[in-house]
Amino acid sequence: SAVISQKPSRDICQRGTSLTIQCQVDSQVTMMFWYRQQPGQSLTLIATANQGSEATYESGFVIDKFPISRPNLTFSTLTVSNMSPEDSSIYLCSVSRGQKQETQYFGPGTRLLVL
Amino acid sequence: AQSVAQPEDQVNVAEGNPLTVKCTYSVSGNPYLFWYVQYPNRGLQFLLKYITGDNLVKGSYGFEAEFNKSQTSFHLKKPSALVSDSALYFCAVSLNTGFQKLVFGTGTRLLVSP
Repeated sequence: SAVISQKPSRDICQRGTSLTIQCQVDSQVTMMFWYRQQPGQSLTLIATANQGSEATYESGFVIDKFPISRPNLTFSTLTVSNMSPEDSSIYLCSVSRGQKQETQYFGPGTRLLVL
Repeated sequence: AQSVAQPEDQVNVAEGNPLTVKCTYSVSGNPYLFWYVQYPNRGLQFLLKYITGDNLVKGSYGFEAEFNKSQTSFHLKKPSALVSDSALYFCAVSLNTGFQKLVFGTGTRLLVSP
């Protein structure tokens, strides 16, 4: 498994502002992922972040809205830009482990409320 | 593209009774299958996975799941439910050819009554 921490654990933000979420892993990992879980919904993958390359975004998510950094093999950030109430969600990071990197382990999540 | 269906929004069971949370999947190849649990105000915790081999896989907290290829199902089971098992359970699938995106079901809320 993996020990993953996220900061902040929760925040309340005003519309139009931006929030940067940090994800820290206890050991080096190749692949990190960012998910969004809207209220009462399942998880949706935002992007895959590999160290040393640009993040790969899923359909419906763009870099201008969700810029991601991956400066090293244990850390990543996700920024939610120009926020609106529709961005109110739980944001989770995960890392892949296993022989074929098939198993993902998740951080505790960042609960965001946009007013 | 792969997809996952969890047909029950909620499952209610009495403590001590067996529980089943259903999951069916659709993929164009051979699947990797996963169960995760989410407790209130917590992240997702990995429970178990099917990669290959025995169709019955055992995981954390006494949970197990059976992979049924003909029925494309991967139901989660536990012989005797605990009140502390009450949580939101997610089934997920990916393809077993290199890294593939993990796709989640909509989740099933399990309520275990004392």
